[in-house]
Amino acid sequence: DAEITQSPRHKITETGRQVTLACHQTWNHNNMFWYRQDLGHGLRLIHYSYGVQDTNKGEVSDGYSVSRSNTEDLPLTLESAASSQTSVYFCASAGETGELFFGEGSRLTVL
Amino acid sequence: AQKVTQAQTEISVVEKEDVTLDCVYETRDTTYYLFWYKQPPSGELVFLIRRNSFDEQNEISGRYSWNFQKSTSSFNFTITASQVVDSAVYFCALREWSARQLTFGSGTQLTVLP
Repeated sequence: DAEITQSPRHKITETGRQVTLACHQTWNHNNMFWYRQDLGHGLRLIHYSYGVQDTNKGEVSDGYSVSRSNTEDLPLTLESAASSQTSVYFCASAGETGELFFGEGSRLTVL
Repeated sequence: AQKVTQAQTEISVVEKEDVTLDCVYETRDTTYYLFWYKQPPSGELVFLIRRNSFDEQNEISGRYSWNFQKSTSSFNFTITASQVVDSAVYFCALREWSARQLTFGSGTQLTVLP
């Protein structure tokens, strides 16, 4: 079965460190997204990609970057982690019908 | 810009009661899609329904039903005869035709008490 996986599922890091969250999907979807979930804010879009070599900024992109070198992967990098980036991060992909298929989430704690 | 409002932050009901979760959206597009997702305590996000702006028919799936009203920009979700397993956070989301990303509301935490 096709799926979307995130790693690591849990990570604790220190302020100022670079962190990369991996996202891998086997749906062969062109559209991939990163969201963060915080209490009271729901899911907010960080970055998204419509295909290889395409990346776009979302609503809360400051301090984050993504790259898309193949269809399957969209890693999310925090260049210099800040405490405000403590959150649960969800990766998702979407096919032509538009609904998002989400990974299981990555819980990041920045101390 | 698009916006989704779920004014009910938390709702608590007793098992077997009916409950309606409200969703109000804003968009300038005439073509758009609306979604509901469920997030149970285990944390995963589960797709429930997609509705496009041309289809205002209400939809029923078992104990779940959705009421889409363009006139009031609402897409409400009703659970009939709620069960403890319905306890979750429910998110409403909007996708404009010209975009591929979804804009989510802040979610409604539903607690169904035995």
